[in-house]
Amino acid sequence: GENVEQHPSTLSVQEGDSAVIKCTYSDSASNYFPWYKQELGKGPQLIIDIRSNVGEKKDQRIAVTLNKTAKHFSLHITETQPEDSAVYFCAAGLGANNLFFGTGTRLTVIP
Amino acid sequence: DAGVIQSPRHEVTEMGQEVTLRCKPISGHDYLFWYRQTMMRGLELLIYFNNNVPIDDSGMPEDRFSAKMPNASFSTLKIQPSEPRDSAVYFCASSPSYNEQFFGPGTRLTVL
Repeated sequence: GENVEQHPSTLSVQEGDSAVIKCTYSDSASNYFPWYKQELGKGPQLIIDIRSNVGEKKDQRIAVTLNKTAKHFSLHITETQPEDSAVYFCAAGLGANNLFFGTGTRLTVIP
Repeated sequence: DAGVIQSPRHEVTEMGQEVTLRCKPISGHDYLFWYRQTMMRGLELLIYFNNNVPIDDSGMPEDRFSAKMPNASFSTLKIQPSEPRDSAVYFCASSPSYNEQFFGPGTRLTVL
């Protein structure tokens, strides 16, 4: 089955700086790569996703890049704000019923 | 829409007791997923339903776990008997399509 590794496990940045979280996956058949944000006491919430036919996708301050050859994808958050502080999860798979999650990155944005 | 609703939000029980977790998916969503989240193992898919039918329960850890979806607006996850190692946060998620999932707030289960 799919194996997703996520790094780093914790990340602290100053407000206004950029944050990058990286994930690798093992199954070359995976074609869907969502990123979720989980705030304290809440369930994960989808913030951006990318499919294997696209190399990069951007939504305001958030961007995701995908390198299918190397089997890795990354989340980039620019101009970080305190409200970006949360746990971020990457996932990879063939679709909603076949998603494998990374172990999460706790992002802290220091005001 | 109120989003995915889960109850209870917190459950504390003693080892050996039966535990029932409940989920109401978003109206119109035809996929429903149950996940378990722990520090050690992260988010694990336990089982998912499509149009109320269980499709894949290979993630259910043991026979002590069972899930049902009697109709499109309700699902339960039952643990009988519960054990301390079942302590985790259990999430229900629903999806209107093959991809995007909407998660509920979770049920934090503590088995003493």
